[in-house]
Amino acid sequence: GAVVSQHPSWVICKSGTSVKIECRSLDFQATTMFWYRQFPKQSLMLMATSNEGSKATYEQGVEKDKFLINHASLTLSTLTVTSAHPEDSSFYICSARVFQGAVLTNEKLFFGSGTQLSVL
Amino acid sequence: DAKTTQPPSMDCAEGRAANLPCNHSTISGNEYVYWYRQIHSQGPQYIIHGLKNNETNEMASLIITEDRKSSTLILPHATLRDTAVYYCIVKIGGATNKLIFGTGTLLAVQP
Repeated sequence: GAVVSQHPSWVICKSGTSVKIECRSLDFQATTMFWYRQFPKQSLMLMATSNEGSKATYEQGVEKDKFLINHASLTLSTLTVTSAHPEDSSFYICSARVFQGAVLTNEKLFFGSGTQLSVL
Repeated sequence: DAKTTQPPSMDCAEGRAANLPCNHSTISGNEYVYWYRQIHSQGPQYIIHGLKNNETNEMASLIITEDRKSSTLILPHATLRDTAVYYCIVKIGGATNKLIFGTGTLLAVQP
């Protein structure tokens, strides 16, 4: 299947600093990527949809100025957590959409391995 | 997108078939049934999806009832590495639609 590479796997930072997480599609082009967040023992929560060459679409309640998303190429989307605070500590996961053949309704999401962010 | 209901947890003996149920009684005609799983501290993994016909791939089989109001994911010979949270999601296919995760079923494969 398609490979999505996410980096770094884990990061520890001080409160008030910014952290950038990269998500790359290694063997395919991804016009759309998704960013999720997951707190311990909870399900994944969709944060935003990242579209190549245009602004990201954020889910209700997600601060766009705090979680900056850049999707400057067809293989790279980045999520920057600005001025991170302890409550931003979470598992962040990206995914990219792949369509099976020429059928636009036959799609799968491939996920990165996630980034564990700990803010001290 | 239609809501799904899954049992919070299930056990299965290693080597036996694991049958994970999912109810989606409000599913509409153009919504697909997707299954993903998440092994602890990893990103989710696509397993299988279908619209109305039963589907099988190298990982699992998906059985969808004729009225499409429920489905079952079958792992034919569960191994310890299949211990994970399994998510059943229904969504309309197409580029504008997002994958929204529910709470899933924690499958514990026992030795």
